[in-house]
Amino acid sequence: GAGVSQTPSNKVTEKGKYVELRCDPISGHTALYWYRQSLGQGPEFLIYFQGTGAADDSGLPNDRFFAVRPEGSVSTLKIQRTERGDSAVYLCASSPRRDAGSVQYFGPGTRLTVL
Amino acid sequence: KQEVTQIPAALSVPEGENLVLNCSFTDSAIYNLQWFRQDPGKGLTSLLLIQSSQREQTSGRLNASLDKSSGRSTLYIAASQPGDSATYLCAVMRNRDDKIIFGKGTRLHILP
Repeated sequence: GAGVSQTPSNKVTEKGKYVELRCDPISGHTALYWYRQSLGQGPEFLIYFQGTGAADDSGLPNDRFFAVRPEGSVSTLKIQRTERGDSAVYLCASSPRRDAGSVQYFGPGTRLTVL
Repeated sequence: KQEVTQIPAALSVPEGENLVLNCSFTDSAIYNLQWFRQDPGKGLTSLLLIQSSQREQTSGRLNASLDKSSGRSTLYIAASQPGDSATYLCAVMRNRDDKIIFGKGTRLHILP
């Protein structure tokens, strides 16, 4: 069956530009998560959606980062005025619900490089 | 603040050996602990999830243990195979509605 998909797989942009990263969760999964993974590090939580609303955005590093999930399925992570420090792999995960017993299913990630 | 540490950072062992990966966490008030596998250029795959009330979970050649009071977990891999080569990540959820905190992972290389 279809898993979590993310597009693009790779994105190269210049400092100061705007980028959008897309996540298609597993159909029917209500919970959706975004993580950022820098080289040699574990993933770091950015934001969590339950349905259409952002239930926890405490991991977003600053106001240049924003994410939406308008219809409760596809989500877009938006980064304004990109900086070189934003270079990382951005991972998306979904789960049927958010609780301790629910496994998160991860997508392959989008590798963002800011020149 | 919850911190998750994984030792060693990298490990190379000959095929067929049994091995143990270690994970420690600073706050024992966790709700669950997961072990993930990450292959290069790929996302994460959940291997085992241990609830805070459990002591261990097993799946095939993998066994994960949890000692909440000491803040430790181990992932035991029996009869290692070259296909086990990957990065293994440990992650804890502090309470039911909290985000998952990951360690930096252990890069495992099984020598044929």
